[in-house]
Amino acid sequence: EDQVTQSPEALRLQEGESSSLNCSYTVSGLRGLFWYRQDPGKGPEFLFTLYSAGEEKEKERLKATLTKKESFLHITAPKPEDSATYLCAVTFSGGYNKLIFGAGTRLAVHP
Amino acid sequence: KAGVTQTPRYLIKTRGQQVTLSCSPISGHRSVSWYQQTPGQGLQFLFEYFSETQRNKGNFPGRFSGRQFSNSRSEMNVSTLELGDSALYLCASSLFSSGNTGELFFGEGSRLTVL
Repeated sequence: EDQVTQSPEALRLQEGESSSLNCSYTVSGLRGLFWYRQDPGKGPEFLFTLYSAGEEKEKERLKATLTKKESFLHITAPKPEDSATYLCAVTFSGGYNKLIFGAGTRLAVHP
Repeated sequence: KAGVTQTPRYLIKTRGQQVTLSCSPISGHRSVSWYQQTPGQGLQFLFEYFSETQRNKGNFPGRFSGRQFSNSRSEMNVSTLELGDSALYLCASSLFSSGNTGELFFGEGSRLTVL
């Protein structure tokens, strides 16, 4: 069964304390892996797309990496405004725009 | 440019009623997808429409249906509402339907409460 598992469920960091979020997946015919950020009361906001193992993408304090089984979202020197739920999702061959989402990691960054 | 607009933002219904939710995608986007978000199940795919055709459907009962109009606006309908249908319903639009980009632009959702 196609599925996406994210860990940890919740993460509390001090401002400036770097860490990583994990997304492991089992899917046949992976087309792409995506990271989204969701703030309370809002819809998810697109961050990155990764297509192949070894690929990396960066945006400000965030860096996403991909292996054949999992992806990591590295957060360097986070700030309180980075607090949000981070969602990982995958698409697969024949799925068109059907995304399979993980449950997300709730990140809280405290000053 | 204007983002994805969903209406209504909040609504309360009772069991057995039906509801229609509306989504206006970003101008020029032809793909509209619908997702249900609940605390227990997370984000789950309902269906996707591209150029008025349903491209894919998730594992939801037939009470959940949708359609897309020629101007790309989309509606989803839930009939015979159940308590478990209480959720945030999110619409997302995209230029393409290839599944390659993953850059879906989400609206802020319609929060449905079923009493």
